[in-house]
Amino acid sequence: KAGVTQTPRYLIKTRGQQVTLSCSPISGHRSVSWYQQTPGQGLQFLFEYFSETQRNKGNFPGRFSGRQFSNSRSEMNVSTLELGDSALYLCASRPHLDNEKLFFGSGTQLSVL
Amino acid sequence: GESVGLHLPTLSVQEGDNSIINCAYSNSASDYFIWYKQESGKGPQFIIDIRSNMDKRQGQRVTVLLNKTVKHLSLQIAATQPGDSAVYFCAEKSSGSGNTGKLIFGQGTTLQVKP
Repeated sequence: KAGVTQTPRYLIKTRGQQVTLSCSPISGHRSVSWYQQTPGQGLQFLFEYFSETQRNKGNFPGRFSGRQFSNSRSEMNVSTLELGDSALYLCASRPHLDNEKLFFGSGTQLSVL
Repeated sequence: GESVGLHLPTLSVQEGDNSIINCAYSNSASDYFIWYKQESGKGPQFIIDIRSNMDKRQGQRVTVLLNKTVKHLSLQIAATQPGDSAVYFCAEKSSGSGNTGKLIFGQGTTLQVKP
């Protein structure tokens, strides 16, 4: 069974631009969570989607948004990029809400210049 | 507030020795703990997890110990191998957060295995 797939692997953007990242969960997994990883702050929870609905949101500004499609694939969007948004963005999936174990993808490395 | 921390940012061990990676947490309401391994250029990979109603859980070459009295978690790796070199994260989930996918991660410990 294929793991969590994230595209693209690397992205370079400039300040003020927007970006969309994509995540395909493990087949059969219906929950998708997004995390931001930086050297200074570590791994921080962004939001979680289940059945196309956002269930929980971390402490990030409204510039960070996401959505989930009927096939459980998810996208996250960051608008008006800032230098501090440079990070590894990780997507994680789990089969259902009763299972706490998250399975992570390899992430999208975003660099904002 | 919620925080999960590891005692040492870097741990260096000799190949074949046992490794112990420690983690302290502050939220006494946490009921689920998990360890991840992250190699360079990859996402976190599940190692082992434990619920708060247990004190110890064993996997293949790994053991997780949970001491709820002092809010301490440790990961023991037996016969450490070069392939174990990575950053190790502990994470927790609060019982008050329901069945959320939100985990609180520690800062990570880098394990270096010397041949």
